Amino acid sequence: DADVTQTPRNRITKTGKRIMLECSQTKGHDRMYWYRQDPGLGLRLIYYSFDVKDINKGEISDGYSVSRQAQAKFSLSLESAIPNQTALYFCATSEGGDGYTFGSGTRLTVV
Amino acid sequence: DAKTTQPTSMDCAEGRAANLPCNHSTISGNEYVYWYRQIHSQGPQYIIHGLKNNETNEMASLIITEDRKSSTLILPHATLRDTAVYYCIVRALYNFNKFYFGSGTKLNVKP
Repeated sequence: DADVTQTPRNRITKTGKRIMLECSQTKGHDRMYWYRQDPGLGLRLIYYSFDVKDINKGEISDGYSVSRQAQAKFSLSLESAIPNQTALYFCATSEGGDGYTFGSGTRLTVV
Repeated sequence: DAKTTQPTSMDCAEGRAANLPCNHSTISGNEYVYWYRQIHSQGPQYIIHGLKNNETNEMASLIITEDRKSSTLILPHATLRDTAVYYCIVRALYNFNKFYFGSGTKLNVKP
């Protein structure tokens, strides 16, 4: 099993729908992150969490919300999806000064 | 975090060493240099990181100049599977906020 698992891998949804992307990890890391990637751009941080009780906004949090249900689970929600939220979404974990471990990504298309 | 400058793309012959440069002239004394790569829309993969000494692991070597204003990632024997976008990131060890992923260098390994 992958260290960081994202579901679904691909999703097409309609404008205005609520959608949740899920992330679970077996690394035992406290810190978890959600990034989005758009064609030709690097990764941009949406939200991050240092532990179950700690949630922080990243640089592009508008239109998104998150929930840290447990140390191993961190979900990202789009309350009312819009087409410019079409992107590749990555979940990541980290521990201290080590590098990040990323999931395989969720490709979301909003039509 | 200090910003980085990388070439947009590079070519390398299979079996040869790939040398990927990165400039980080505004790096601070407590900032590390990290390298990641992303293979065609997969999640970014951690490669290596260092502070001021050269580092080597099973994937690559990292050479940091004495003034720490630039570094080079070396893949000693590039294979076709090393074709990817390589990101050079500078971050303070205990800056738990985020990594800033720029546009990276697209490495094309050719037969």
